Amino acid sequence: AQKITQTQPGMFVQEKEAVTLDCTYDTSDQSYGLFWYKQPSSGEMIFLIYQGSYDEQNATEGRYSLNFQKARKSANLVISASQLGDSAMYFCAMRRISSGSARQLTFGSGTQLTVLP
Amino acid sequence: GAVVSQHPSRVICKSGTSVKIECRSLDFQATTMFWYRQFPKQSLMLMATSNEGSKATYEQGVEKDKFLINHASLTLSTLTVTSAHPEDSSFYICSVSVNYGYTFGSGTRLTVV
Repeated sequence: AQKITQTQPGMFVQEKEAVTLDCTYDTSDQSYGLFWYKQPSSGEMIFLIYQGSYDEQNATEGRYSLNFQKARKSANLVISASQLGDSAMYFCAMRRISSGSARQLTFGSGTQLTVLP
Repeated sequence: GAVVSQHPSRVICKSGTSVKIECRSLDFQATTMFWYRQFPKQSLMLMATSNEGSKATYEQGVEKDKFLINHASLTLSTLTVTSAHPEDSSFYICSVSVNYGYTFGSGTRLTVV
């Protein structure tokens, strides 16, 4: 069974500073994908970044980067130059990639990020 | 990009009534759709996987007779909460796997009074 752990229920960061949101995962699969989503109070799920288990380079998307440490099974999200609009709930999620498996996502418990002015 | 339209966005119903939530893929075919439930301040929990033309696959602990899923076409999946009770009040959201990513509906906030 897969499991995603986010140990930070809430985080605060000063505007313009960088922040790291932690995510560890547990899986016996060799092939998997890791996702980060942002969920503002409206409820929509906004895709931020993706890392495949075989990707050798850490993924980056604008101000978002993923610190992928495969041996430690961690996939931390780094947000640089935080903005007030970054205040939201952030979810780490994992999907199995192996053929024949259902492609549903397994989500972590989330981290509520608050950016302070 | 792929868009999933979910309706209604908010619904308030009386206890004992049924509520139908629709998710429609607008510009692509969705043979599989995932339905999640999210309680306040909590994570998204997968309820069921909806398969076009066949029965849905429910996660352990999810009552099939209470949460009826119909996926009659390649673009439409519906979730019906039957005989709703206050404890069913939650945020329901659908999702489709597209290429190697996912697209989500905008969600439905259900309040049962």
